[in-house]
Amino acid sequence: NAGVTQTPKFRILKIGQSMTLQCAQDMNHNYMYWYRQDPGMGLKLIYYSVGAGITDKGEVPNGYNVSRSTTEDFPLRLELAAPSQTSVYFCASSYGRGGGRQPQHFGDGTRLSIL
Amino acid sequence: TQLLEQSPQFLSIQEGENLTVYCNSSSVFSSLQWYRQEPGEGPVLLVTVVTGGEVKKLKRLTFQFGDARKDSSLHITAAQPGDTGLYLCAGAQGEDFNKFYFGSGTKLNVKP
Repeated sequence: NAGVTQTPKFRILKIGQSMTLQCAQDMNHNYMYWYRQDPGMGLKLIYYSVGAGITDKGEVPNGYNVSRSTTEDFPLRLELAAPSQTSVYFCASSYGRGGGRQPQHFGDGTRLSIL
Repeated sequence: TQLLEQSPQFLSIQEGENLTVYCNSSSVFSSLQWYRQEPGEGPVLLVTVVTGGEVKKLKRLTFQFGDARKDSSLHITAAQPGDTGLYLCAGAQGEDFNKFYFGSGTKLNVKP
């Protein structure tokens, strides 16, 4: 039972570098999300997708990009890493419509530090 | 500023004690969820409440959604060390995914 798999688990970047955080789910969920979790601030929604080929911005999208070419994968791209993007990033997925009523299944996170 | 304010931020209690965690807002939510998160892992859903005044019980955990759908509480009876973790509330405003907000969390430590 893999569920939602995120890679890498840890990463250190230099300012200005770029990288892609990978997320894959094997539950055939249409809906996928990216969040960031800063200490004492809860989770904030970066981007979400309601199906392959469809993505939309969340609360804090600046500095990030996403794509959804398949149902299973939802990568998050940082083009020019900045110290403010140091955070723990969580990918999640859910089945069906209903917005916030649907349970979201989370990966174990990617801990990203930008120095 | 957080749309959902949780209190207390930290709670350290002895095994067997009861506790209540609060999730408050000045805004109305169509539904509210509670998650528990352990270190190094993602949040795991505990419950979803959708009706004002709704009460749901999950073994020793009791969840309540306020009548006006602006607040919620989580009550744990006879806490156990296994209850230790970060408790997060999350609320949805309508069906839009970009209107889904998490609170900042309550960090609970239950000492044996």
